[in-house]
Amino acid sequence: GESVGLHLPTLSVQEGDNSIINCAYSNSASDYFIWYKQESGKGPQFIIDIRSNMDKRQGQRVTVLLNKTVKHLSLQIAATQPGDSAVYFCAENMAGGTSYGKLTFGQGTILTVHP
Amino acid sequence: EAQVTQNPRYLITVTGKKLTVTCSQNMNHEYMSWYRQDPGLGLRQIYYSMNVEVTDKGDVPEGYKVSRKEKRNFPLILESPSPNQTSLYFCASSFRGASYEQYFGPGTRLTVT
Repeated sequence: GESVGLHLPTLSVQEGDNSIINCAYSNSASDYFIWYKQESGKGPQFIIDIRSNMDKRQGQRVTVLLNKTVKHLSLQIAATQPGDSAVYFCAENMAGGTSYGKLTFGQGTILTVHP
Repeated sequence: EAQVTQNPRYLITVTGKKLTVTCSQNMNHEYMSWYRQDPGLGLRQIYYSMNVEVTDKGDVPEGYKVSRKEKRNFPLILESPSPNQTSLYFCASSFRGASYEQYFGPGTRLTVT
């Protein structure tokens, strides 16, 4: 597969464990915070988003937590599976203004799930 | 199948030889964007378009041009490619009101020698 980063943070878990991936963001004015998953050789894929006026949102096997006080975002994956192995990116998005539509990505975290 | 397609997937070219990377989406999305992905630098936005005939610069527009003559297509043009444009390029699209949920193409690996 193609390398997407050098010296990215890594997280190794056993199949069935829960995974927590963290991200520090920079722009307090962002309207949305999002998690994307990128598998080797593919484009990023949307996982889940959270609006800035929320602190928690749940999806299927995933939960995103937003702590605006410390500008921290996390993605929790329940019962992690080998198919979850990928690079995970957090991103920020503006819903209006001159930066409308722009996604600003974090550096990414490599998640490896061992069977 | 709803998708974003890019062509070519791989391209090796020489400095100064104009090239175009095509991007097409079949989801009737208003918003389209180009990103480049480089080791250690992550994904950075090059250009984006909010609708037909409306384009604007992203974070790293130098050396690139785009056009949006049709809703479904958003080609990326490198008029005079240089080695520092060697990168992995992604096209993405979304509905205008949901730009946080962008659909990405499979990527184009460009090498400029």
